[in-house]
Amino acid sequence: SQQGEEDPQALSIQEGENATMNCSYKTSINNLQWYRQNSGRGLVHLILIRSNEREKHSGRLRVTLDTSKKSSSLLITASRAADTASYFCAPVNAGGTSYGKLTFGQGTILTVHP
Amino acid sequence: DVKVTQSSRYLVKRTGEKVFLECVQDMDHENMFWYRQDPGLGLRLIYFSYDVKMKEKGDIPEGYSVSREKKERFSLILESASTNQTSMYLCASRAQGRWGNEQFFGPGTRLTVL
Repeated sequence: SQQGEEDPQALSIQEGENATMNCSYKTSINNLQWYRQNSGRGLVHLILIRSNEREKHSGRLRVTLDTSKKSSSLLITASRAADTASYFCAPVNAGGTSYGKLTFGQGTILTVHP
Repeated sequence: DVKVTQSSRYLVKRTGEKVFLECVQDMDHENMFWYRQDPGLGLRLIYFSYDVKMKEKGDIPEGYSVSREKKERFSLILESASTNQTSMYLCASRAQGRWGNEQFFGPGTRLTVL
């Protein structure tokens, strides 16, 4: 399995601004998933992008994937105070003994100020 | 509303005690996972179960065992708790079939071993 590396480690913005966080990984993947964790709602799945996709949208979220650079980005548009959380990427390998398990790094801590 | 529940949010145990962490999901998912999350180390897989009575070791199984007697329930057992098992424990479930299926997490159990 492999762990995604999120960047930046911390991001502080004002409500209404956009937030972009990046993820890099090392080996080829089947898909890449983004999760959010805060004290109120725990760890929640946000969006999944497959290796044959380049971009995906879900509400205010936009995820891109560049398999040639082994990187992904998560854009949150028009941020809200409720978006304050830690964000993790999870590159998922298929097959073998990985079971599609998730491995998180340290994440990006996003703080949205009202 | 899909749900993964864990038996305790906070637990304090003494070194050498046997500890049971319970996880129940109501989504009829085949796959269930136990992770631990530690500052600086991210999320790591302890054990995985792909069906009833089936289990596979994850990345850090030492000092742990699991039980899956019913589809909805996955138990993590610390045979003899030690201080280095102080951590946040997260249970997750996932529908069988594709590596890309999202994982649904419980709220977590913060275990302190004194």
